[in-house]
Amino acid sequence: AQTVTQSQPEMSVQEAETVTLSCTYDTSESNYYLFWYKQPPSRQMILVIRQEAYKQQNATENRFSVNFQKAAKSFSLKISDSQLGDTAMYFCAFKGGSEKLVFGKGMKLTVNP
Amino acid sequence: EAGVAQSPRYKIIEKRQSVAFWCNPISGHATLYWYQQILGQGPKLLIQFQNNGVVDDSQLPKDRFSAERLKGVDSTLKIQPAKLEDSAVYLCASSLVGGPSSYEQYFGPGTRLTVT
Repeated sequence: AQTVTQSQPEMSVQEAETVTLSCTYDTSESNYYLFWYKQPPSRQMILVIRQEAYKQQNATENRFSVNFQKAAKSFSLKISDSQLGDTAMYFCAFKGGSEKLVFGKGMKLTVNP
Repeated sequence: EAGVAQSPRYKIIEKRQSVAFWCNPISGHATLYWYQQILGQGPKLLIQFQNNGVVDDSQLPKDRFSAERLKGVDSTLKIQPAKLEDSAVYLCASSLVGGPSSYEQYFGPGTRLTVT
């Protein structure tokens, strides 16, 4: 069974700084997708960024980018120029051939003014 | 485009009572998911529908939880009887079928259930 591990339960960063959220996963599959979801205090889960395992190029979405290390089974999220609106729970998630989305426990990020 | 709708947003019940949650997915999304998110944890899939058929219900506690998706659109999730450990946020999500777009799930605001 696939597992997703987010070892940092909580982080804080100053506005405009850069922060990196870590995630590791375990799978025997070769084709899969990895995701970072954001859940603000209002509770609506929002997709931040997606990475296809077959792509070597790291995904980027504006201030959000990933560092995907397939051999190490590592999938970290970098947030540049942090904004107050980035304060939220961040979940790393895995989706393989079973179609089931497996989430990590999440990490609480606080951006301070 | 309207997002995934859920109701109610909050519900407080006593243990052994029953409760039902409703979800309306994004128009055109054939796949619908129900997740349970206990405080401090990531969402856990309870059941996945494709149209009105069940794809995966391996983690649904079938002795007390039931779900249906009549006509392949709206869905209801029921708990009867509720236990204290059912206190959680119940999230509904939907996605397209087929192709890369099917890998993106869109979530509703959730229903926060408190069982006392």
